[in-house]
Amino acid sequence: EAEVAQSPRYKITEKSQAVAFWCDPISGHATLYWYRQILGQGPELLVQFQDESVVDDSQLPKDRFSAERLKGVDSTLKIQPAELGDSAMYLCASSRTQGKLFFGSGTQLSVL
Amino acid sequence: QQQVKQSPQSLIVQKGGISIINCAYENTAFDYFPWYQQFPGKGPALLIAIRPDVSEKKEGRFTISFNKSAKQFSLHIMDSQPGDSATYFCAASMKTSGSRLTFGEGTQLTVNP
Repeated sequence: EAEVAQSPRYKITEKSQAVAFWCDPISGHATLYWYRQILGQGPELLVQFQDESVVDDSQLPKDRFSAERLKGVDSTLKIQPAELGDSAMYLCASSRTQGKLFFGSGTQLSVL
Repeated sequence: QQQVKQSPQSLIVQKGGISIINCAYENTAFDYFPWYQQFPGKGPALLIAIRPDVSEKKEGRFTISFNKSAKQFSLHIMDSQPGDSATYFCAASMKTSGSRLTFGEGTQLTVNP
């Protein structure tokens, strides 16, 4: 069964450092999402891509976060500089049809 | 603005019992309502979903009940098993917003043996 691949699984960094997360969606899925999930809460959308174009980045803190999906396949989410409040699970998901999102296992970020 | 509200926050059920989780939404433009199951250290996985043109959908031990006039929907897990212990999220989406999901706060379900 095809899966959404994410790396790394865990990332520990110090405040003010730069971090990057990578996502490879399920083949054929044109829509890719990055969600952030704080412990004990539901995932919240950061950015949505349709192919290589950003559809919605209204909740992305653009002063420190950036996301790209250059060839419309895999994607990278970057945080620079990282802050203590960025500690969370960063989830990538992809979909082909409405609402049927398939999530990866996420990157657990700890900012010290 | 919290568009999807979920309750209870946590739920403890005995093996064989029925687990019921409720969600309420505000935006009447939502047209797709899935439930996701999440185990520790894993991403959410789609469990079952419903569209507002039906009032109930059943898949195995899992049933969604949908009340369009009340803007509420619920997940029922029949014959709950210890393996069902996980966090459950309701969600909603609309085609006009690119199908992205808005999630509830989650319910941590524990099924005791």
